[in-house]
Amino acid sequence: DQQVKQNSPSLSVQEGRISILNCDYTNSMFDYFLWYKKYPAEGPTFLISISSIKDKNEDGRFTVFLNKSAKHLSLHIVPSQPGDSAVYFCAAVFGATNKLIFGTGTLLAVQP
Amino acid sequence: KAGVTQTPRYLIKTRGQQVTLSCSPISGHRSVSWYQQTPGQGLQFLFEYFSETQRNKGNFPGRFSGRQFSNSRSEMNVSTLELGDSALYLCASSLALSSYEQYFGPGTRLTVT
Repeated sequence: DQQVKQNSPSLSVQEGRISILNCDYTNSMFDYFLWYKKYPAEGPTFLISISSIKDKNEDGRFTVFLNKSAKHLSLHIVPSQPGDSAVYFCAAVFGATNKLIFGTGTLLAVQP
Repeated sequence: KAGVTQTPRYLIKTRGQQVTLSCSPISGHRSVSWYQQTPGQGLQFLFEYFSETQRNKGNFPGRFSGRQFSNSRSEMNVSTLELGDSALYLCASSLALSSYEQYFGPGTRLTVT
């Protein structure tokens, strides 16, 4: 049973436009969420995170939004750059276990 | 500071064999976690080691095991390989047990034929 879902396996965006990657979760006990980026032949690298007590966190071109009532989070990248092309994983944690539960990933392709 | 290293990077085995994968964490990191990545399943947590002891375990059969040495290096072993074990195996290190801040290695691509 997939507790963290990324329903779009891929997304294509033009350079300079906004990229929106979505993630849904089922467990209301999750209290921390993270986004990781993964390039081919490399391990995932941490990108940005948000606590469940917030609804937005911004870091440069990257903003994560959390809608707890909808159990939905999204990652906005503005403006998108070709170097952002990668697989993006969302992950969730709940304090009882501190285990990271990952989604299946979304492949973002930013076209020049 | 050197990152997390994993060896080998690629491996081909046949069904029924066993395999051992190695992970060297970032210097000073004491926790090592292992994940399996397959298409359509994302990253699935296998187990976490801290101070040479398994502290957390995911929902994988007993064929998957691991250990950690006193220098924090970790090995993962899979016995009686099945075709479905073909995956990218990632290890991640962190300073503390159950830390959200994990640093991943490049992974070992295992193909079972």
